[in-house]
Amino acid sequence: DSGVTQTPKHLITATGQRVTLRCSPRSGDLSVYWYQQSLDQGLQFLIQYYNGEERAKGNILERFSAQQFPDLHSELNLSSLELGDSALYFCASSVDSNRQETQYFGPGTRLLVL
Amino acid sequence: QKEVEQDPGPLSVPEGAIVSLNCTYSNSAFQYFMWYRQYSRKGPELLMYTYSSGNKEDGRFTAQVDKSSKYISLFIRDSQPSDSATYLCAMSSAISSGSARQLTFGSGTQLTVLP
Repeated sequence: DSGVTQTPKHLITATGQRVTLRCSPRSGDLSVYWYQQSLDQGLQFLIQYYNGEERAKGNILERFSAQQFPDLHSELNLSSLELGDSALYFCASSVDSNRQETQYFGPGTRLLVL
Repeated sequence: QKEVEQDPGPLSVPEGAIVSLNCTYSNSAFQYFMWYRQYSRKGPELLMYTYSSGNKEDGRFTAQVDKSSKYISLFIRDSQPSDSATYLCAMSSAISSGSARQLTFGSGTQLTVLP
């Protein structure tokens, strides 16, 4: 158990809908990262937050957004969902933004868009 | 061409074998190198990380980095059925304080250790 929690574990929804994925980092970790893992693209970095502020953006679509709250938990919002958004979404956390080599991953949320 | 290339396997070995997993990369700015293990339907678990070139050993696992060849390896000695998983290499560059480093992952190698 990495100490990172994610909810829900599974999510099934329809195209065009909007969902919110939630992540709680390990105690003491200030940075939160979101990743998407699909069979054809592998593990892709989406976005990073550090202590409530956006720190880095990766391959995140405009339909997707995230935020980190004062209690350091983070939410990833996916809107206007398409079939191709079906994937595993992982959250990871680390102590600070300069220690990405020690990112700890949560169990993931499996999203299925029908 | 992807920045990080990793043979997807699958790789199947008998219990007790020495396993060699490898990644090559093209970005010479990468200085931090990591190996993650991912069991089916679970999140990646950090196994080892190394900075710059050289070897690092942790129990049955040895990570090796050759920056001149842009090549990293993970060796597993005395492999066990419980080592059966997908192994992902990951890399990042070193940047100035206050900025962010992104991890770039390989596609993963699926390993099965047969009893």
